Amino acid sequence: DAMVIQNPRYQVTQFGKPVTLSCSQTLNHNVMYWYQQKSSQAPKLLFHYYDKDFNNEADTPDNFQSRRPNTSFCFLDIRSPGLGDAAMYLCATSGLGLLMNTEAFFGQGTRLTVV
Amino acid sequence: DQQVKQNSPSLSVQEGRISILNCDYTNSMFDYFLWYKKYPAEGPTFLISISSIKDKNEDGRFTVFLNKSAKHLSLHIVPSQPGDSAVYFCAASARNYGQNFVFGPGTRLSVLP
Repeated sequence: DAMVIQNPRYQVTQFGKPVTLSCSQTLNHNVMYWYQQKSSQAPKLLFHYYDKDFNNEADTPDNFQSRRPNTSFCFLDIRSPGLGDAAMYLCATSGLGLLMNTEAFFGQGTRLTVV
Repeated sequence: DQQVKQNSPSLSVQEGRISILNCDYTNSMFDYFLWYKKYPAEGPTFLISISSIKDKNEDGRFTVFLNKSAKHLSLHIVPSQPGDSAVYFCAASARNYGQNFVFGPGTRLSVLP
């Protein structure tokens, strides 16, 4: 049973045309992450939500925004995609507590192509 | 500035032999380390983890070793199987470092029949 679901799996968008990627989870985890992964590179954290608290990485471009309307859903909005934004976008969740370590669970990713 | 490094982009191993994947980190705040496996066009799948209070954790064919003084960990797969062929990512996190998982660039393992 899929626990972290990303839609769509493949997205083609035009240069400069806004695009939204979605992620849903059935794990009831309090933390949701968005990572960007380019070919042969490490997944790079863009931002994450701890419950409703939004945490943006310092080097994440303003072109990338996120919304988390409820526990189950999280969206990645790219306001004006450039050719350099073509990548695999990975959503992950984690059920972190204050004094515990746990793993992150990933969705299957959305492969974004910018034309 | 890479905080998690995997210096071998690729590794080839014969089926049945041991695969050893290495990972180094620089941030001494990290207290939890994970290995993920990734097939093409799929998301990473959690494999095994280790807390900084341990130096070894074993799960079936997979064993992770942690050397805190050297800031080094390794994943041993024995015996290696063709289905183990994938990209393996090392990741690290810290309870006092936000809720972030920091990933290495990955090592592509090829297990040859």
